[in-house]
Amino acid sequence: QSALTQPASVSGSPGQSITISCTGTSSDVGGYNYVSWYQQHPGKAPKLMIYDVSNRPSGVSNRFSGSKSGNTASLTISGLQAEDEADYYCSSYTSSSGVVFGGGTKLTVL
Amino acid sequence: EVQLVESGGGLVQPGGSLRLSCAASGFTFSSYSMNWVRQAPGKGLEWVSYISSSSSTIYYADSVKGRFTISRDNAKNSLYLQMNSLRAEDTAVYYCARDEAITIFDYWGQGTLVTVSS
Repeated sequence: QSALTQPASVSGSPGQSITISCTGTSSDVGGYNYVSWYQQHPGKAPKLMIYDVSNRPSGVSNRFSGSKSGNTASLTISGLQAEDEADYYCSSYTSSSGVVFGGGTKLTVL
Repeated sequence: EVQLVESGGGLVQPGGSLRLSCAASGFTFSSYSMNWVRQAPGKGLEWVSYISSSSSTIYYADSVKGRFTISRDNAKNSLYLQMNSLRAEDTAVYYCARDEAITIFDYWGQGTLVTVSS
């Protein structure tokens, strides 16, 4: 199972919006609405930010939103803040009953 | 408060074995599926294995199939990962993660580092 494709890095200024893409295939992202997004700060465990494509867990800011079109899912962060600087990973259920993660995207807040 | 605490990591020679544990507290462990996810140094996340709440369903990533065995003891609120025939590429921080639903890993432990080297 190949990793989902994410851009290696994205950047934005405070207050701006950024979008991180996550591209898979019809056997994972395109085939199921089971895409999640995780935020990971250096040296810390990942934190769930979005699940089932577009749902936010309790306590996650509404500045974070998710969507999907075909084989590509997206995470949008609006009103960028310094604390949003982190690595972001998408994940998807796969037709082989496993889970596949994206390669990760480093977000830099300028 | 939900807590997941991994232990058992360390330095092991190629071909060796190691058993990781994950102690769970703050929730009804027997009601949740669990997963192991690993992260090689400086690299991304890689899903390793899944076990259902009753241990009736188990899945593995192709990279560890036949070498790793996931198990749990609901009476002890514990999750395990038996790792055999370890390779250098198994070097990683290993996290246990609670499975709220399909691929929803809502709580993670702090991780335990496994280093495979001679």
